[in-house]
Amino acid sequence: GQQLNQSPQSMFIQEGEDVSMNCTSSSIFNTWLWYKQDPGEGPVLLIALYKAGELTSNGRLTAQFGITRKDSFLNISASIPSDVGIYFCAGPDWGNNDMRFGAGTRLTVKP
Amino acid sequence: EPEVTQTPSHQVTQMGQEVILRCVPISNHLYFYWYRQILGQKVEFLVSFYNNEISEKSEIFDDQFSVERPDGSNFTLKIRSTKLEDSAMYFCASRGPRQGLGKLFFGSGTQLSVL
Repeated sequence: GQQLNQSPQSMFIQEGEDVSMNCTSSSIFNTWLWYKQDPGEGPVLLIALYKAGELTSNGRLTAQFGITRKDSFLNISASIPSDVGIYFCAGPDWGNNDMRFGAGTRLTVKP
Repeated sequence: EPEVTQTPSHQVTQMGQEVILRCVPISNHLYFYWYRQILGQKVEFLVSFYNNEISEKSEIFDDQFSVERPDGSNFTLKIRSTKLEDSAMYFCASRGPRQGLGKLFFGSGTQLSVL
């Protein structure tokens, strides 16, 4: 199946800073998704991207679907303490009815 | 807002015992999934279910695992003879008929501990 490589693995930032994380794949995806997981909870969809080059925002979050369809980034502007959690990129496995997740970026925001 | 509910939130069992993890997907959803997450690791696909049958399963989903939708509302994952390495958080997810593959709604998970 297709592999998703997410970086960085973890980030420690001060409240108010901007954050950027990305996800790459060795093969093409037609959909890129970004999820957030709070401790003890299931992943929650933040942003879905369906077209190469698409740039989509959800509040302070912005995500882009790379032109090559092999990468995506997620930016968080003016971080706040509740942004703490694990951010996963995900995409459908080609030809299969399932979705694969990256290993996640663990974000810590210091007040 | 409708949500996926999972019970129990925590399950402790002895190695070799059978466990059943229960999920109630969102009511008009047609596609159902089980994922698991070993502590500190990524979310891994186990199985997808549509139209009362398995549509995909991963290499993790071996003969010890089975899924069922017994009554039109519940969606269960059974592990027949648990192993220590089955300890993980198990997430159920569902999506609706007109939603893209990515728009999965996840439950809060069942933390399974095998002793």
